[in-house]
Amino acid sequence: AQSVTQLGSHVSVSEGALVLLRCNYSSSVPPYLFWYVQYPNQGLQLLLKYTTGATLVKGINGFEAEFKKSETSFHLTKPSAHMSDAAEYFCAVSDTSLKAGSYQLTFGKGTKLSVIP
Amino acid sequence: EPEVTQTPSHQVTQMGQEVILRCVPISNHLYFYWYRQILGQKVEFLVSFYNNEISEKSEIFDDQFSVERPDGSNFTLKIRSTKLEDSAMYFCASSEWYSAYEQYFGPGTRLTVT
Repeated sequence: AQSVTQLGSHVSVSEGALVLLRCNYSSSVPPYLFWYVQYPNQGLQLLLKYTTGATLVKGINGFEAEFKKSETSFHLTKPSAHMSDAAEYFCAVSDTSLKAGSYQLTFGKGTKLSVIP
Repeated sequence: EPEVTQTPSHQVTQMGQEVILRCVPISNHLYFYWYRQILGQKVEFLVSFYNNEISEKSEIFDDQFSVERPDGSNFTLKIRSTKLEDSAMYFCASSEWYSAYEQYFGPGTRLTVT
């Protein structure tokens, strides 16, 4: 069974500061990894994904994440926080061995990011 | 840009009543999913649907739940007899054939069971 752990349910950063949201996963097979963002009263928007290849992946809005197999981590970073980044961020993993037609995601509990002016 | 839509945005129902939550996936997508998020908890997988049948379901998806793709565009989740603990945000998602793991989510339906 897969699982995702997001350290810190709530993270506050100052505007312009580095954003670091932590995600660790467990999976018995090579995973696909995702970060989703949820703005208030909205659905989940895909921020970035790792499937294969380059371990540093870039997403929308200046975010990036690095897949570190040895650490089973997929931390999300952004060099300089903007007020508009305030949202809840979810890390998710998909089991690549699942049968065709079923790629369900296992989510972490989410991290709410606050940006202080 | 194409998007997944869901109706209604908020549904209030009494315990024991049947509810149908509706979703219109992105038009060329072939994989469909329902997830739910109880307030303050994780987003949880309920069911996946491909080629007109359920491909996987979680323990949560018991006999009270059913899914249907009644036509070429809609994808519905039915809860036959709602319980208080069914109160949650329900998200529909869809994905394409060649990147089936990349799921696009709708805005959700907030279900409140009283």
